[in-house]
Amino acid sequence: EVQLVQSGAEVRQPGESLKISCNGSGYNFTDYWIGWVRQMPGKGLEWVGIIYPGDSDTRYSPSFEGQVTISVDKSISIAFLHWSSLKASDTAMYYCARLGRIAVAHTWYYYGMDVWGQGTTVTVSS
Amino acid sequence: DIQMTQSPSSLSASVGDRVTMSCRASQSIKKYLNWYQQKPGKAPKLLIYTTSNLHSAVPSRFSGSGSGTDFTLTISSLHPEDFATYYCQQSYNISYTFGLGTKVEIK
Repeated sequence: EVQLVQSGAEVRQPGESLKISCNGSGYNFTDYWIGWVRQMPGKGLEWVGIIYPGDSDTRYSPSFEGQVTISVDKSISIAFLHWSSLKASDTAMYYCARLGRIAVAHTWYYYGMDVWGQGTTVTVSS
Repeated sequence: DIQMTQSPSSLSASVGDRVTMSCRASQSIKKYLNWYQQKPGKAPKLLIYTTSNLHSAVPSRFSGSGSGTDFTLTISSLHPEDFATYYCQQSYNISYTFGLGTKVEIK
């Protein structure tokens, strides 16, 4: 079964660092982009960024560039989302998701996010 | 960033109703538009990718259409399990922005 399993809920104080994880299984982890999505309480979905585990190519939404770091350890099929100094406004649910792909004219076309993790709740409060 | 605008923000409908919702992009995204369904407390699920392609196991009552900047998600006959929030997402450029969602509520 293809699945993404995320690390558990976290509670931190402002200024602390945090790294949450997303463990892929049931497929070749290095062949698919992994994305991160934020959902603040009662709000919609926001694109954070994506990483290609095969070569660690990483792209960020302009809104999140410099605010978080996305990384991967392909040897253990885990992607990470890291904050060096949390703010109260980082309080949210964070999802990881895989970009699905299909072969089109001898190349891979990546479309929507076809497999999602269960989400990790991050609470930042003093 | 490409901005995605969904309308309406919410709608009320009854089981069996035909429901349509819209998504507009701030620039042409050709056909690179995806739709997701999210229920409270759950992760989103991919419904439709590249405007009109149903993801695996998605019922055929869901359909998508459009191109360029204007797109539509249609549910031909609303089922009880379809009450949820629906998000569109562009996959034209690498910053896969989402719309703010359309919440489908029970009338």
